[in-house]
Amino acid sequence: DTEVTQTPKHLVMGMTNKKSLKCEQHMGHRAMYWYKQKAKKPPELMFVYSYEKLSINESVPSRFSPECPNSSLLNLHLHALQPEDSALYLCASSQEPGEGYTFGSGTRLTVV
Amino acid sequence: SQQGEEDPQALSIQEGENATMNCSYKTSINNLQWYRQNSGRGLVHLILIRSNEREKHSGRLRVTLDTSKKSSSLLITASRAADTASYFCAPTYIGFKTIFGAGTRLFVKA
Repeated sequence: DTEVTQTPKHLVMGMTNKKSLKCEQHMGHRAMYWYKQKAKKPPELMFVYSYEKLSINESVPSRFSPECPNSSLLNLHLHALQPEDSALYLCASSQEPGEGYTFGSGTRLTVV
Repeated sequence: SQQGEEDPQALSIQEGENATMNCSYKTSINNLQWYRQNSGRGLVHLILIRSNEREKHSGRLRVTLDTSKKSSSLLITASRAADTASYFCAPTYIGFKTIFGAGTRLFVKA
């Protein structure tokens, strides 16, 4: 298995909702990442997990809460989001931190 | 911000021609990676060059790195219509922060 699987592919949520994005990989990769991408912009780094520990939080608002339950899974819990948080959320993994990322196809999030 | 810059922002060429994209970054890096993205969706890793390397090849791709100028270039030779995509350079800084540049949109005309 050489894929990163993200679910759901699309998500529409209200500003008072709580939802979670899920990311899974079975390549034995030791690092996992969340990126956010707005239309026609580059991906922006949000969080880095290395060996299941949070190593980088790029000053992301607390309404985004990452979780790494085990080495294969990465979640992003969402609460009280704003319409400007609407974006494509990309998960990635790599064998070693900072090298050669495999990206999932993303979750397209719309906040209404 | 550690985001680097890429030029050109957009490039339109004929099939069979070569495409060159340039990237500049801000501070010392561990490595520099290049990615391709089709239709604003999945990103695909193309090639990684380490800070102690100067040039690397992979198929029709050639990457150079000049750490003294803090710059890199990606050359795609004999381009094909299927190469039409956005290309991002992504330097990895100390602490394993990989920050994507603004990207170059390449359009290859058949």
